[in-house]
Amino acid sequence: QAQLQQWGAGLLKPSETLSLTCAVYGGSFSGYYWSWIRQSPGKGLEWIGEINHSGSTNYNPSLKSRVTISVDMSKNQFSLKLTSMTAADTAVYYCARVSTTTGWRYFDYWGQGTLVTVSS
Amino acid sequence: QLVLTQSPSASASLGASVKLTCTLSSGHSSYTIAWHQQQPEKGPRYLMKLNSDGSHSKGDGIPDRFSGSSSGAERYLTISSLQSEDEADYYCQTWGTGFHVFGGGTKLTVL
Repeated sequence: QAQLQQWGAGLLKPSETLSLTCAVYGGSFSGYYWSWIRQSPGKGLEWIGEINHSGSTNYNPSLKSRVTISVDMSKNQFSLKLTSMTAADTAVYYCARVSTTTGWRYFDYWGQGTLVTVSS
Repeated sequence: QLVLTQSPSASASLGASVKLTCTLSSGHSSYTIAWHQQQPEKGPRYLMKLNSDGSHSKGDGIPDRFSGSSSGAERYLTISSLQSEDEADYYCQTWGTGFHVFGGGTKLTVL
């Protein structure tokens, strides 16, 4: 059973860069993709991107120009950087484990979430 | 274009059953989805993976009251013997090659 624990700055000014990290405890790290998802206040879930242990990534096209997801296998951690933050990026950010089966991928463990507010 | 459509809201009485629907867009009726529950002020929780043939596998500790089924492009989540803690938002999610998609979510009210 995996546990995901995330952390990072919760208050940013416009144009700053968001930096979040998610640590994985329990279970294999190398056998999965690892993802970031966000939820704006009162809204639904939006996928940001994912990475596997070897650094292969997929990003949401709407955010791709501003997103970098990286992995640190030595620490079983992965990180999110989102540049040029604006008020529209205010959201709760979640990390999640991506399980794969017969070509399908789904999120089966979630982090606790980090509220990120962008305000001058 | 891969889209998941959910009704914004649903309601049912305590102890009753409710069936929530997630509809896959045209051309994607064979897709597998996952259901996630988000209780108020909490993060999402994985409920189950649901295949096009109705077979499903649930996450750790998910009660037997939660079950899934499929018909064509529709994927269903049935919750029986509704309890107050089932009042939550329910999201479906799937994978298209290279990207994940979420439905808009259904807010379930337990009366």
